Amino acid sequence: QVQLVESGGGVVQPGRSLRLSCVTSGFKFTPYAMHWVRQTPGKGLEWVAIISYDGSSQFYAASVKGRFIISRDDSKNTLYLQMNSLTTDDTGVYYCARDFEDYGPPRYYFDYWGQGTLVTVSS
Amino acid sequence: QSALTQPASVSGSPGQSITISCIGTSSDIGSYNLVSWYQHYPGKAPKLIIYEGNKRPSGVSHRFSGSKSGNTASLIISGLQAEDEADYYCCSYAGSTTFVVFGGGTKLTVL
Repeated sequence: QVQLVESGGGVVQPGRSLRLSCVTSGFKFTPYAMHWVRQTPGKGLEWVAIISYDGSSQFYAASVKGRFIISRDDSKNTLYLQMNSLTTDDTGVYYCARDFEDYGPPRYYFDYWGQGTLVTVSS
Repeated sequence: QSALTQPASVSGSPGQSITISCIGTSSDIGSYNLVSWYQHYPGKAPKLIIYEGNKRPSGVSHRFSGSKSGNTASLIISGLQAEDEADYYCCSYAGSTTFVVFGGGTKLTVL
């Protein structure tokens, strides 16, 4: 069955960096665009970033653009999120999610999600 | 503040129907047929229950349906069951600058 398992969360000081990983299994990773979505305290869900199925394109939410980098390693069926210059506003649960569409342009809705990894930015 | 507006909470008795509204703008819901809805139990992975406004993924109960009119999308849950008690989020594509917007979520309580 399709599984997405995030890791790499933890407690980090403002201004520091953290790298999240999402190991996938149960499906062919290569044809799918992948996303990161976060849930911040007291708020709902917020889309963070997308990487295209072939890794050639990456797009970001305005709140993280220039600080976060999404990447993928198809040989390891793994998605990454490098988070730099973290602020307290980045605190939350980070989910990786699979785009609904394979091969074609992404549909920007998410048919499988992981259970999330908690990132806490605090001094 | 979330880009899409949902009621914070709704409630209903078993067997009843409820509707959760999701109000957007002409830049998101009103421009694209890419509205999706997610069911989320705290601590679990969110689950896609409606996509493209009114389509159900395989395996999702027929009790869940969706609709869209103008800048507003709606999720309808009929024949409420205790297991439907969860948080529900709407989501829409919003163009190649903003990309994706979510609602703030609605907590459904089954009385």
